Amino acid sequence: RKEVEQDPGPFNVPEGATVAFNCTYSNSASQSFFWYRQDCRKEPKLLMSVYSSGNEDGRFTAQLNRASQYISLLIRDSKLSDSATYLCVVNREVAGKSTFGDGTTLTVKP
Amino acid sequence: NAGVTQTPKFRILKIGQSMTLQCTQDMNHNYMYWYRQDPGMGLKLIYYSVGAGITDKGEVPNGYNVSRSTTEDFPLRLELAAPSQTSVYFCASGQTAYGYTFGSGTRLTVV
Repeated sequence: RKEVEQDPGPFNVPEGATVAFNCTYSNSASQSFFWYRQDCRKEPKLLMSVYSSGNEDGRFTAQLNRASQYISLLIRDSKLSDSATYLCVVNREVAGKSTFGDGTTLTVKP
Repeated sequence: NAGVTQTPKFRILKIGQSMTLQCTQDMNHNYMYWYRQDPGMGLKLIYYSVGAGITDKGEVPNGYNVSRSTTEDFPLRLELAAPSQTSVYFCASGQTAYGYTFGSGTRLTVV
């Protein structure tokens, strides 16, 4: 079993739709969690951290469920510019190495 | 703000050749990382460094070497290039707890 698993998609949604991605992790001792966005042929860019209490940044909401060992990303009112691959990242250590999921591809269509 | 700078952006190598991928950051981060990303896949950690003079292996270190003589620079060396090393290589810096800044990547093809 992979340490971090994501549904690869692709998710094809119309503009204005709400879409959610989940990411499961296998190590219950994992300590920090992130979502990154990666555009085609570009480097990953940090989108947001994920906290147990949940956090929101504009149209984006991230949640952590430690009991079920998954994190989620909700995108409301999707824009064409949201089309990208979304990578979840799980860290077992405070300092050291991050484990990346393989990514979920989102395409927002007019 | 330069952030993390990688060179070259593209390179074609012949089997058995060697090269060094350069990575420089100007954010005074102690932690730096090298990842590779194969098409349609996630990032796999090759090597990382927690400070000048300290490096450690990631999950796919075979065929690569690194050094960290300064805080700013973290070059990745490929010896005896093989087709399996065809990939996109990303350098990153930052702390695990706060997220990373990535360079724009080096696209390497070994033929």
